[in-house]
Amino acid sequence: NAGVTQTPKFQVLKTGQSMTLQCAQDMNHEYMSWYRQDPGMGLRLIHYSVGAGITDQGEVPNGYNVSRSTTEDFPLRLLSAAPSQTSVYFCASRPRSGIHNEQFFGPGTRLTVL
Amino acid sequence: GESVGLHLPTLSVQEGDNSIINCAYSNSASDYFIWYKQESGKGPQFIIDIRSNMDKRQGQRVTVLLNKTVKHLSLQIAATQPGDSAVYFCAETSFDTGRRALTFGSGTRLQVQP
Repeated sequence: NAGVTQTPKFQVLKTGQSMTLQCAQDMNHEYMSWYRQDPGMGLRLIHYSVGAGITDQGEVPNGYNVSRSTTEDFPLRLLSAAPSQTSVYFCASRPRSGIHNEQFFGPGTRLTVL
Repeated sequence: GESVGLHLPTLSVQEGDNSIINCAYSNSASDYFIWYKQESGKGPQFIIDIRSNMDKRQGQRVTVLLNKTVKHLSLQIAATQPGDSAVYFCAETSFDTGRRALTFGSGTRLQVQP
């Protein structure tokens, strides 16, 4: 199993540009989440999904959209990037029946918005 | 590359000593707690968890202590090794939220001196 994969690993955007951060998992996990990590802070939840076709907002959802058309994929979209979105983004997945000790994180995407 | 910032509290210990990392939480409803280890350039990795009906749990070289009265959590690492150098985060969640969302602390950087 590849686990949780994220692409790209690094990205630089200009203010106002749009892009999609990709996340995929091959463990057939129902739950998937997106977090952002800013300097000196822990991870903050952006959006999460409890299964295909179901998404919900986390702590800091503004400026981000998600969709979950398949169990495997959970892309995060920035429609109009802002410098405040400069951060490291982590995707995570876990089985529905599991608790957080079974949550796996991807390697992260480092995004810089100029 | 670094995935956390430069202004985290830092604990510096000698190899072979015991380390104690502390965390305070604020949500009285939190009933499940996790410690994560994050190495440079990687996503968080599960270390150990504890439920609120316990005050101590031991793993391999690690012990988590929970004091619900003062909302305090600690991670003890025995015989600290250079490979333990990383940033450590506590995280909390509650049954009220279906344990869908984790709230992370801001992290502590552990530096192990050889």
